[in-house]
Parts: sequence; C-alpha cells; structure tokens
Amino acid sequence: QVHLVQSGAEVKKPGASVKVSCKASGYTFTGYYIHWVRQAPGQGLEWMGRINPNSGGTQYAQKFQGRVTMTSDTSVSTAYMELSRLRSDDTAVYYCATPNEGSWGQGTLVTVSS
Amino acid sequence: QTVVTQEPSLTVSPGGTVTLTCTSSTGAVTSGYYPNWFQQKPGQAPRALIYSTSNKHSWTPARFSGSLLGGKAALTLSGVQPEDEAEYYCLLYYGGAQSWVFGGGTKLTVL
Repeated sequence: QVHLVQSGAEVKKPGASVKVSCKASGYTFTGYYIHWVRQAPGQGLEWMGRINPNSGGTQYAQKFQGRVTMTSDTSVSTAYMELSRLRSDDTAVYYCATPNEGSWGQGTLVTVSS
Repeated sequence: QTVVTQEPSLTVSPGGTVTLTCTSSTGAVTSGYYPNWFQQKPGQAPRALIYSTSNKHSWTPARFSGSLLGGKAALTLSGVQPEDEAEYYCLLYYGGAQSWVFGGGTKLTVL
C-alpha cells in the first residue's frame, strides 16, 4: 500500500526558504498525484497544491502562486515542496498526501522565527 | 475566492447517528467535486475515510458513509462510538481551476 515518509522538522528565519521531502513506497511512484497540505497551529487543513510525478505537471493554490515550487524525482520516488520568502504565519505542519489512495505522510513541522 | 463550509461543531450521543455536511460557495456539490472526507484527532495526521463521494478505504469502519444530500456532500456516522470524537474535514475538487479546497472542519463531540 502507499506509504509516505517526510523529512524532519525545520526552523527557518523570515525571508528564507524551506524544502520538505516526501519519499513514497509501496506503489508505482508515477501512478498517483502527490498533494501538499499544511496546518497552522490550532487551525484547519489548507490545500497548497499537487504534482503529477509522471509528467511533473503542477497545480498550485492561488494563495501560494509565486512562492511555492513542487517537484519530484522519479529515480528516488520522492516529491519535494519548496516554500520561499517565509513569514511567521507560514509556521505550520506540512503534509504530503495521496488523498484518493488515503495515504498521508507523518507531517513536517516548519517553524519560522527570527 | 471559493469557500467550503462545514458545521463548526456537532454533538452526538454514543450509539446515535449524525450527519456532517460540506457546502460550496459556488453552488450545489455534485459527484464532479469528488468529495473526500478525513478524520483528525489531536496530535495526529489526518486519516482518510471517504473518497469520490461515497467510496470507503479498506480501513474505514462500516458505520461511516458518504453521500450527496440536498446539494451538499455529507458524511453520516451511524452507531457513533466514543472513539469517533474528532475533527472532520471535507475536501472538494474544482475542475475549472484544477484546485482542491478544504472545508473549515467540524468538531464532533460524543457525549
């Protein structure tokens, strides 16, 4: 079955960038879209975008256009989400997921603080 | 800006039945929105329950069911258990914008 393992927690300063990885196993990596979702402390889930690992094609939520870049490397079955120009309100747990297949990564806490 | 709305909170007695709904600001929710439902307990990652309106994952308990009800996506819990107390989120697909939007979540209390 689909299994997603994310990289560890990050602490960044305002204005910096962060890149979170999501390694997939248990299925053909190019078979399913990988979505990225975030959750700020005490808040709900927020969809950021998705990538088609087969084509590299991406769709981003309008809110993150210009600041987020999603990529994938089929040789290591890994998807990446990079968020730039970080602000304090980007502090959140970031998840990768394949919603229709029901799998979620464990989450990566990104803390933005000076 | 598209908004997906859920009941902020609901309370149900153990053994009872409750229906959570998911409304789109753009109009009636149809199967073309591919409604998904997720359960999240404090400190945990979300857990998928339902995809494409009414399809269950292999781990989804039989008491959970998804449907379309009066222009909304709906998640019904029948025979509620204490362990069903959690936050529930719906997720809708907007094909024109090729984007997905989460609802604000429903906090379900079992009391």
